[in-house]
Amino acid sequence: GQSLEQPSEVTAVEGAIVQINCTYQTSGFYGLSWYQQHDGGAPTFLSYNALDGLEETGRFSSFLSRSDSYGYLLLQELQMKDSASYFCAGVSGNTPLVFGKGTRLSVIA
Amino acid sequence: SQTIHQWPATLVQPVGSPLSLECTVEGTSNPNLYWYRQAAGRGLQLLFYSVGIGQISSEVPQNLSASRPQDRQFILSSKKLLLSDSGFYLCAWSVMSGDQPQHFGDGTRLSIL
Repeated sequence: GQSLEQPSEVTAVEGAIVQINCTYQTSGFYGLSWYQQHDGGAPTFLSYNALDGLEETGRFSSFLSRSDSYGYLLLQELQMKDSASYFCAGVSGNTPLVFGKGTRLSVIA
Repeated sequence: SQTIHQWPATLVQPVGSPLSLECTVEGTSNPNLYWYRQAAGRGLQLLFYSVGIGQISSEVPQNLSASRPQDRQFILSSKKLLLSDSGFYLCAWSVMSGDQPQHFGDGTRLSIL
């Protein structure tokens, strides 16, 4: 089975950089995905890391270290609209994703 | 392009009443389909997933059931709702390969009175 741990809440200032960590314990691990969910909305896919290292998509980057069973989502130049919940999810072959419990990011002025 | 439709958006039901939530996907074939439930301020709980017509895997034993009568249709049902069934229900699809992202519908907010 899989389990993923991430902080429940993070607060950061507008314009700053914030990192949301995710540690996992899993068997048959393929990679780590990240999803964003605004209040009242559905989760949307942000990124997927199958290989170690950093993947950059605009202001968002995601990192994976298989040897450390660890990944993170990095958000740069924070904007108020980035306030949302962020979920890491473990990918294992053709079995369903296992989601972490989510990190609620609050961006303050 | 692929789209996923889920309805209704909100639903208020009395305890003991039946439930039917429907989800359809367009623009793709043989998708994996998923039903999740999310309690307020909580994470995503996988309820059911399906890799093909008539193939349903249940992750959590409860009074809910799921069916996949057509390739791109996924239905969540209950014969008698409980108060604990309240929550935000999300349908999602993905390409069959496990490393592909899941795409979620807009969700159904279910309140049990």
